[in-house]
Amino acid sequence: DAGVTQSPTHLIKTRGQQVTLRCSPISGHKSVSWYQQVLGQGPQFIFQYYEKEERGRGNFPDRFSARQFPNYSSELNVNALLLGDSALYLCASSLRGRGEAFFGQGTRLTVV
Amino acid sequence: KNEVEQSPQNLTAQEGEFITINCSYSVGISALHWLQQHPGGGIVSLFMLSSGKKKHGRLIATINIQEKHSSLHITASHPRDSAVYICAVRGGTQGGSEKLVFGKGTKLTVNP
Repeated sequence: DAGVTQSPTHLIKTRGQQVTLRCSPISGHKSVSWYQQVLGQGPQFIFQYYEKEERGRGNFPDRFSARQFPNYSSELNVNALLLGDSALYLCASSLRGRGEAFFGQGTRLTVV
Repeated sequence: KNEVEQSPQNLTAQEGEFITINCSYSVGISALHWLQQHPGGGIVSLFMLSSGKKKHGRLIATINIQEKHSSLHITASHPRDSAVYICAVRGGTQGGSEKLVFGKGTKLTVNP
């Protein structure tokens, strides 16, 4: 059974550009959460989606947006990239929002 | 003060030693997770606890809800245990979202 898959694995973008990160949850999982992990820090919550509805949003600017599709996969979009957006972006899925969370390998975004 | 505090930040041990990593939290929680992160970023869920104690192989996790404290123990440590161990709690204080709040992690190095 495939785990949580994220794409791409690595990405380099220029300041001001836009980026879309993708996440496919474990089959049957309806909850997807996104986290940002800056080097040397623990992950920070960005969004949670459950049954295609936003259930929570962390303390991130409006440049960050996300959505969940009918097949429960999810996209995270970041507009007007800043150098400070360079981080590892992690996606986690769970059966229900309160279940055990399973993480993908992450997308490492570098903004230059 | 962070909602989740881990200690120590860094830990170096000799192969075979007994390891303890501590996690204290300041909010009410519904569950606590212990996670393992290897270089390269991928996160693996080790335990999800809401009370008591769980054991998996050489790993033991305990939680004391009254004291808001959890410990992760590794018996007979091995160099392959070298990783960052992260404590995360699920409480959900933002509009009912079921986000995880992470500690900064404990970097464990086990020398042969």
